Amino acid sequence: EAQVTQNPRYLITVTGKKLTVTCSQNMNHEYMSWYRQDPGLGLRQIYYSMNVEVTDKGDVPEGYKVSRKEKRNFPLILESPSPNQTSLYFCASSLNSGGYNEQFFGPGTRLTVL
Amino acid sequence: EDQVTQSPEALRLQEGESSSLNCSYTVSGLRGLFWYRQDPGKGPEFLFTLYSAGEEKEKERLKATLTKKESFLHITAPKPEDSATYLCAVRPLWVGGSQGNLIFGKGTKLSVKP
Repeated sequence: EAQVTQNPRYLITVTGKKLTVTCSQNMNHEYMSWYRQDPGLGLRQIYYSMNVEVTDKGDVPEGYKVSRKEKRNFPLILESPSPNQTSLYFCASSLNSGGYNEQFFGPGTRLTVL
Repeated sequence: EDQVTQSPEALRLQEGESSSLNCSYTVSGLRGLFWYRQDPGKGPEFLFTLYSAGEEKEKERLKATLTKKESFLHITAPKPEDSATYLCAVRPLWVGGSQGNLIFGKGTKLSVKP
């Protein structure tokens, strides 16, 4: 089944404890992206990657890191999480960055930083 | 500034009561407009892509239309299972930068009562 998977689905952590949220897609997509979703603010892009070893900042990159060493994986790293990073996170992928390709979303990771 | 605005924020319908959701956008050229459905706590699910003014697409009780400044999602004879948040996103023509990124509206939360 073609899908985007994320792990973990739920995470409660404390301020300053480094964490990684994994994202993997099995559709051979070139483009991958991370979003956060907050009430009243909608979906906001954190980072995106147009292909392996090519990443760039989205609208809200502060406090986050990403890497794209393999085509299928795009982990999101929080080096020193803070309470304002409590949010619902989504990974997405599309065939490429062309205009006509829809993005497929993962199931989400609900992160709480105490 | 590229912007996507959805209205209304919330809509309550009785089962069978048809209505429309609006997505207005201001972008410097449009590569594509996308509609997604999102259930609580889940990732957005792709519904439609529209590319040019005058285009229409249908799926079951949903019909999406596009003009030069806005898109409508028409819901005909809705059922309770149509209850969800409907998201609109645009992919603008960028001069430089990523051509893959989406700009999302904040969504319309639809509730259909039996």
